[in-house]
Amino acid sequence: ETGVTQSPTHLIKTRGQQVTLRCSSQSGHNTVSWYQQALGQGPQFIFQYYREEENGRGNFPPRFSGLQFPNYSSELNVNALELDDSALYLCASSLSAGAMDTQYFGPGTRLTVL
Amino acid sequence: TQLLEQSPQFLSIQEGENLTVYCNSSSVFSSLQWYRQEPGEGPVLLVTVVTGGEVKKLKRLTFQFGDARKDSSLHITAAQPGDTGLYLCAGVPYGNKLVFGAGTILRVKS
Repeated sequence: ETGVTQSPTHLIKTRGQQVTLRCSSQSGHNTVSWYQQALGQGPQFIFQYYREEENGRGNFPPRFSGLQFPNYSSELNVNALELDDSALYLCASSLSAGAMDTQYFGPGTRLTVL
Repeated sequence: TQLLEQSPQFLSIQEGENLTVYCNSSSVFSSLQWYRQEPGEGPVLLVTVVTGGEVKKLKRLTFQFGDARKDSSLHITAAQPGDTGLYLCAGVPYGNKLVFGAGTILRVKS
């Protein structure tokens, strides 16, 4: 059974650029959640996708957008990058979107904005 | 303001010592979870507590959910260097998505 994978591992961008991060969910999981983890902080919920539809969004501006594909993999897009967007971006997949469904995290993508 | 406050922020202890990490909130949670995260990795779920007053044990780790479902603690007995990592509590406020505390960095020295 393949776990949650994310790509790329590391990424360096400059202010104003756009970035796309990718996540492959664990086999059999139809829900993907994205989190931003700044240095020294816990992960903060960005949004969740369930069966290709957005199913909840945290306190992040519209320049953070996402997509989920028919195979339940997912993308996180960030436009007009700002310095404060530098963080570890984590995705987590779960069997379904229920609050009690265990989320399995990928290793994250480390984004640095210069 | 963090919905979940963890304390202490950082803990450095000797191998064999005991420790307790706290997770507190003014909000009620339907469940609380504890994760451990190592550098370069995503968080890994250790336990989920659901019932107020519940106590769960995982080898040398003991987890407790407060009676009012607003707080939780993680106690480690006879800590080992392999316990080193970032410990995160996370909760599901009723009707919302998972929220995390800022974490406790634990370093166990041999």
